[in-house]
Amino acid sequence: DAGITQSPRHKVTETGTPVTLRCHQTENHRYMYWYRQDPGHGLRLIHYSYGVKDTDKGEVSDGYSVSRSKTEDFLLTLESATSSQTSVYFCAISAGSDVSANEKLFFGSGTQLSVL
Amino acid sequence: AQKITQTQPGMFVQEKEAVTLDCTYDTSDQSYGLFWYKQPSSGEMIFLIYQGSYDEQNATEGRYSLNFQKARKSANLVISASQLGDSAMYFCAMREPLMDSSYKLIFGSGTRLLVRP
Repeated sequence: DAGITQSPRHKVTETGTPVTLRCHQTENHRYMYWYRQDPGHGLRLIHYSYGVKDTDKGEVSDGYSVSRSKTEDFLLTLESATSSQTSVYFCAISAGSDVSANEKLFFGSGTQLSVL
Repeated sequence: AQKITQTQPGMFVQEKEAVTLDCTYDTSDQSYGLFWYKQPSSGEMIFLIYQGSYDEQNATEGRYSLNFQKARKSANLVISASQLGDSAMYFCAMREPLMDSSYKLIFGSGTRLLVRP
């Protein structure tokens, strides 16, 4: 199994509070991703990173920010949580830069976030 | 923009029978990759099988095979000899290039499969 640890696994918070989710990898992979999973939508990309301090937005980035100060850690921050951000959040990693190869994403176990 | 469509929200199959989960995709790229992931009730995402657009043969991994029809833009997952442990959510995904030679996966909405004893 790929060495990916997400913390916390579960969190309940109140609207308007800041929340930070952490993804830690032991694979030394260059690429890291944050996805959210909602019923009927599959998984949608929030932000991704292609190196230390190199990040970019995905399709549902509003209300989220990320940081990557070390290869192994990728943080997702909800600056002021809203009920629409109640979701399951997955971190994923990838080694590959060869887009023609079988470069699958490895996923963490997910974080269930509830914003009340 | 690329898109993945899974039109079967839920399916039933009898244990030991085969089942096909549908996936169609839309892309203007000539080179692309298609993936299937399984998500059991425990929540983790498990990679099942991969098909490259230039692969001449359909991909197979044990009881999983991918029925790849390029002209129809479909990449259906076939599970043979279904087992109770196959009950799960199944996601079809496509690789989409990003900047700096990286890529992301875009996902369909998933199909929930229930295997009946």
